[in-house]
Amino acid sequence: QKEVEQDPGPLSVPEGAIVSLNCTYSNSAFQYFMWYRQYSRKGPELLMYTYSSGNKEDGRFTAQVDKSSKYISLFIRDSQPSDSATYLCAMSESSNDYKLSFGAGTTVTVRA
Amino acid sequence: DGGITQSPKYLFRKEGQNVTLSCEQNLNHDAMYWYRQDPGQGLRLIYYSQIVNDFQKGDIAEGYSVSREKKESFPLTVTSAQKNPTAFYLCASSIRDNQETQYFGPGTRLLVL
Repeated sequence: QKEVEQDPGPLSVPEGAIVSLNCTYSNSAFQYFMWYRQYSRKGPELLMYTYSSGNKEDGRFTAQVDKSSKYISLFIRDSQPSDSATYLCAMSESSNDYKLSFGAGTTVTVRA
Repeated sequence: DGGITQSPKYLFRKEGQNVTLSCEQNLNHDAMYWYRQDPGQGLRLIYYSQIVNDFQKGDIAEGYSVSREKKESFPLTVTSAQKNPTAFYLCASSIRDNQETQYFGPGTRLLVL
């Protein structure tokens, strides 16, 4: 079993829809949770960063962490064609921990 | 502009050849990392360095080597011992006290001829 599981999709939605992405994990020591966006043939860019449980909102993006269920989510409201990308979740145990555990990524296409 | 640069964008390797991928950052970050990305898999850590002249193996270091002679630079050599080198290679960096927040370069795609 992988330490971080992420549905690879692909996920196709019409413009303006809400995109819902999630990851599950098995390591209860994870405390830092990140979402990266990766456009085709580019490097990942940090999108959202959350510490411990709870919600964090940044514009059209909302990240949720449920540590009791070992489940994290990313929601994209009012999705745009420019949101078409692969979204990677990543997690670590501490801020001094070099090791990030990544999900395999979910590929999202927003249709105009 | 601050950021991470990787070169070349594409690299072709012949059988038995060693090739070196360049990574440079001007973010003044102490820590640097090399990851390998394969389709359908999460990023896997090859090597990391938290300080100049020091580096550690990651999960898949076999067939790779690195050096860290300057804070700004962390080149990766893919040796002939790496039998399946075709992948997308990503370099990243972070502040040493916030290693969970890593910033990535644009990547190098390595293909075998």
